[in-house]
Amino acid sequence: DVVLTQTPSTLSATIGQSVSISCRSSQSLLDSAGNTYLYWYLQRPGQSPQLLIYLVSNLGSGVPNRFSGSGSGTDFTLKISGVEAEDLGVYYCMQATHAPPTFGGGTKLELK
Amino acid sequence: QVTLKESGPGILQPSQTLSLTCTFSGFSLSTYGMGVGWIRQPSGKGLEWLANIWWDDDKYYNPSLKNRLTISKDTSNNQAFLKITNVDTADTATYYCARTEGTHYFDYWGQGVMVTVSS
Repeated sequence: DVVLTQTPSTLSATIGQSVSISCRSSQSLLDSAGNTYLYWYLQRPGQSPQLLIYLVSNLGSGVPNRFSGSGSGTDFTLKISGVEAEDLGVYYCMQATHAPPTFGGGTKLELK
Repeated sequence: QVTLKESGPGILQPSQTLSLTCTFSGFSLSTYGMGVGWIRQPSGKGLEWLANIWWDDDKYYNPSLKNRLTISKDTSNNQAFLKITNVDTADTATYYCARTEGTHYFDYWGQGVMVTVSS
């Protein structure tokens, strides 16, 4: 199975600060058709995960544009440009290029 | 709007079969490119994908549990199902169902249902 390694595991930020989360894959996530099935989700405390980013860099429906995704191959990044209180929770990357789909271990974003 | 809701037994004993139902609205599992997946999360831990079923009845399972999983759907009643046989305490978790539309993997999630396996 593809292993996704997220760093850091915990991130402390102040409101308004910009932060980045890294997701590294044990294999390239580029498929033979040129697609990269890399996703980012946010799970707020006590809630279900919600889709933030699909296919590396596309914003999910209703997701604020302070969120952005980038990367290619095995290295991917989620950036939040100006953290807001509602952004606190655990962030997960997920790959669906290789079966079975796998999730990273999560990055907890907390207030400093 | 798209909604999904999971239901299950709450608590069951080791070796029993866990039966979960996902009842959804706002989309049809007969629509091209549509799918429903099951994902679980032990308390305080990360996410584990279990299985997907697609509009054309294709099914995919996590190989680590494949022999114990069965996914199915009832398109006319907007439901998807997951059965896990021979459960043990390691299957204690919150179970989520989530929609996939084309390349939008798990774009909508249910609220989750907690399942406890205990003797």
